[in-house]
Amino acid sequence: DSGVTQTPKHLITATGQRVTLRCSPRSGDLSVYWYQQSLDQGLQFLIQYYNGEERAKGNILERFSAQQFPDLHSELNLSSLELGDSALYFCASSQSQTGHYGYTFGSGTRLTVV
Amino acid sequence: GNSVTQMEGPVTLSEEAFLTINCTYTATGYPSLFWYVQYPGEGLQLLLKATKADDKGSNKGFEATYRKETTSFHLEKGSVQVSDSAVYFCALSDYNNNDMRFGAGTRLTVKP
Repeated sequence: DSGVTQTPKHLITATGQRVTLRCSPRSGDLSVYWYQQSLDQGLQFLIQYYNGEERAKGNILERFSAQQFPDLHSELNLSSLELGDSALYFCASSQSQTGHYGYTFGSGTRLTVV
Repeated sequence: GNSVTQMEGPVTLSEEAFLTINCTYTATGYPSLFWYVQYPGEGLQLLLKATKADDKGSNKGFEATYRKETTSFHLEKGSVQVSDSAVYFCALSDYNNNDMRFGAGTRLTVKP
């Protein structure tokens, strides 16, 4: 157990639908990062929050949004889902604003859009 | 911008063989370098790291040395086991960028 908790582990949904992925960071970590892992694109950085505020944005689609709550857990919302959104979505956390000392990853949410 | 290039896989080795997975990086600052391992069905786990030039990271028999002159951080293990079969990712992070940059991953299969 890495200390980073992601729910649900698996999600199957239809095109056009909306889903919410949840992440609880390791105790004491203030930063949460979201990554998408697909077979053809590797690990793509989506977005980072630090202590409730958005700090960095990567290749995140406009249909996707995220937030970090006062208790530091984070949610990634994916809407108007397309077949191409099927992927593994990872959350990672770190103590600092940057990943200079490394991240701790959760076990991921596997999203299948049918 | 910062980027990481690692050797393409897949790599297939016999048990007890020597492993090298090459990783080179491009960075404007002084990055920290990492190797992560992903076992089937799991998330990424930090395998080892080095935060400055000439540092050697090591863990579970794996080693990598931060070479600034060649901008490299190659992963090595003297004798691989079947249980080392996984995908290995090289990554870098520095104080100027909030997100960590990952290589494409190298799948290693070790056969008994």
